[in-house]
Amino acid sequence: AAGVIQSPRHLIKEKRETATLKCYPIPRHDTVYWYQQGPGQDPQFLISFYEKMQSDKGSIPDRFSAQQFSDYHSELNMSSLELGDSALYFCASSSAGVSYEQYFGPGTRLTVT
Amino acid sequence: AQTVTQSQPEMSVQEAETVTLSCTYDTSESDYYLFWYKQPPSRQMILVIRQEAYKQQNATENRFSVNFQKAAKSFSLKISDSQLGDAAMYFCAYRNAYSGAGSYQLTFGKGTKLSVIP
Repeated sequence: AAGVIQSPRHLIKEKRETATLKCYPIPRHDTVYWYQQGPGQDPQFLISFYEKMQSDKGSIPDRFSAQQFSDYHSELNMSSLELGDSALYFCASSSAGVSYEQYFGPGTRLTVT
Repeated sequence: AQTVTQSQPEMSVQEAETVTLSCTYDTSESDYYLFWYKQPPSRQMILVIRQEAYKQQNATENRFSVNFQKAAKSFSLKISDSQLGDAAMYFCAYRNAYSGAGSYQLTFGKGTKLSVIP
């Protein structure tokens, strides 16, 4: 079965640079969630999209923005990167009309130096 | 806001034995979902088991079962016949049933690191 795809899997950036993370949900899933997991931490919700509209916002810094495109893939844009942004970024998808389960991608490991 | 508490940062179990991981949560909602996720060293988040709050029957998935006590707001995970591959971080998670009550986001506990001793 198809799973959630995230790219890139690893990313190394310097402070003050910009990063773009991509997420391709499971086919026919209409909802995408972004989570940030710092070292030794639990995942923290950042933002979600349903049918290409932002549906909820969590603890996402103003330096971050995201969107969901017409093909349902989503991108998380991160600017003015800080050392504290180093984390594992997960994308999860679900089908709002069918399932309440969120299926996670493998994550993008971002390292800011 | 909902909170999820896992009071056991680390646990260990002998291979083939049974272990129970604890989770408590706080919510004012009457309908919601609870999940256990497994995160092995690969860091992939894998759904282990889910429970709908309106169901009284405890969920079971092969060697994994839960003890859901709604009144006590407790949701423990029992792993039977533990295997080396069960070694991982386990996260308990909560989700509202209705978006009008807040969001469909998952709220996680801090996790329990499970070691399996051969």
